Amino acid sequence: NAGVTQTPKFQVLKTGQSMTLQCAQDMNHEYMSWYRQDPGMGLRLIHYSVGAGITDQGEVPNGYNVSRSTTEDFPLRLLSAAPSQTSVYFCASGRRDRGLGDTQYFGPGTRLTVL
Amino acid sequence: KQEVTQIPAALSVPEGENLVLNCSFTDSAIYNLQWFRQDPGKGLTSLLLIQSSQREQTSGRLNASLDKSSGRSTLYIAASQPGDSATYLCAVGTSGTYKYIFGTGTRLKVLA
Repeated sequence: NAGVTQTPKFQVLKTGQSMTLQCAQDMNHEYMSWYRQDPGMGLRLIHYSVGAGITDQGEVPNGYNVSRSTTEDFPLRLLSAAPSQTSVYFCASGRRDRGLGDTQYFGPGTRLTVL
Repeated sequence: KQEVTQIPAALSVPEGENLVLNCSFTDSAIYNLQWFRQDPGKGLTSLLLIQSSQREQTSGRLNASLDKSSGRSTLYIAASQPGDSATYLCAVGTSGTYKYIFGTGTRLKVLA
């Protein structure tokens, strides 16, 4: 299993540009989420999904869109990038298992800079 | 609103020392609590997951405890090694949702 993969690893955008951060998992997890990590702020939840066709907002959803058309993929879209969106973005997946709980598995991250 | 705090923000200890990292949360209605390790420039690796009904979990030299009533969890690392140097984060899963709130982490450095 590849686990959770994210592309690209690095990206530089200009203010106002749009882009999509890709996230895929091959563990058949129903739960997927996006976080951003900023210095001194920890990880903050942007959006999450509990299955194909189901998404919901986290703590900091403004400026980001998501969709979940398949179990495997959960892309994050920035419609009009702003310097405040400069951050490291992590995708995570997990399952809700009454026996094992819901351990989250994280991707390697995408480092985004908006100029 | 759930808030998660980790103290201290940074910690430096000599090799071989036993140490405790702290995680506090404001709302005791949690689903679970998870401890992660993050190496510089890397993603997060799950260390231990404690369900809300459990008091502790152990894995090798690591032991995590949970006291919901006081809103606290501790991660105990026995006989620390330089390879343990990393940032340790705790995350609280909220009951009834799939939302996880992270603490800001403790940056640990174990000196050889």
